[in-house]
Amino acid sequence: EAQVTQNPRYLITVTGKKLTVTCSQNMNHEYMSWYRQDPGLGLRQIYYSMNVEVTDKGDVPEGYKVSRKEKRNFPLILESPSPNQTSLYFCASSRIPSGSFSYEQYFGPGTRLTVT
Amino acid sequence: DAKTTQPTSMDCAEGRAANLPCNHSTISGNEYVYWYRQIHSQGPQYIIHGLKNNETNEMASLIITEDRKSSTLILPHATLRDTAVYYCIVRVRREMDSNYQLIWGAGTKLIIKP
Repeated sequence: EAQVTQNPRYLITVTGKKLTVTCSQNMNHEYMSWYRQDPGLGLRQIYYSMNVEVTDKGDVPEGYKVSRKEKRNFPLILESPSPNQTSLYFCASSRIPSGSFSYEQYFGPGTRLTVT
Repeated sequence: DAKTTQPTSMDCAEGRAANLPCNHSTISGNEYVYWYRQIHSQGPQYIIHGLKNNETNEMASLIITEDRKSSTLILPHATLRDTAVYYCIVRVRREMDSNYQLIWGAGTKLIIKP
């Protein structure tokens, strides 16, 4: 079954304690992306990756890091989480977009993070 | 900067067609319109996309006006499981680096009533 998996699904942590949210896809997609969603808002892109070892900042990259060492995995790293990073996080993957065209994105189930 | 405008919420009776409008008056000639939906707080699900022509698939139809300034997503026979937030999205070129990105607004909360 084609899917994007994220772990953990729920996480409560304290300010400053480094954490990693994993994301994995089994569709051999080149493009992967991380989003955050806050109440009443749409998704905002944090980072994206066009392929292995190629990553770039989205709209809200501050406080986050990513890596893309393998095609299937795209972990999101919070080196020193703060309460304003409390949010719902989604990982997505797709075939590589081309100019103004974006292929269908497949989303993971989400990770609900609370930073106290 | 939102590129699309959608009503905050809409109701539709079960079994009827749900018509969800979207305004994208500043869309450029090569920018596609995409629709996704999100049920509860699950990951968004792709529905359909279009550029100029009307499109139809097994989930919905997309009607784009000739001037491309607005579009309507049509769910032909809405069911209770279609209750969700529907996002009308465009892929635009970022000023900061000229890369393209999808711009998500707040969407329309569609409630299907029995």
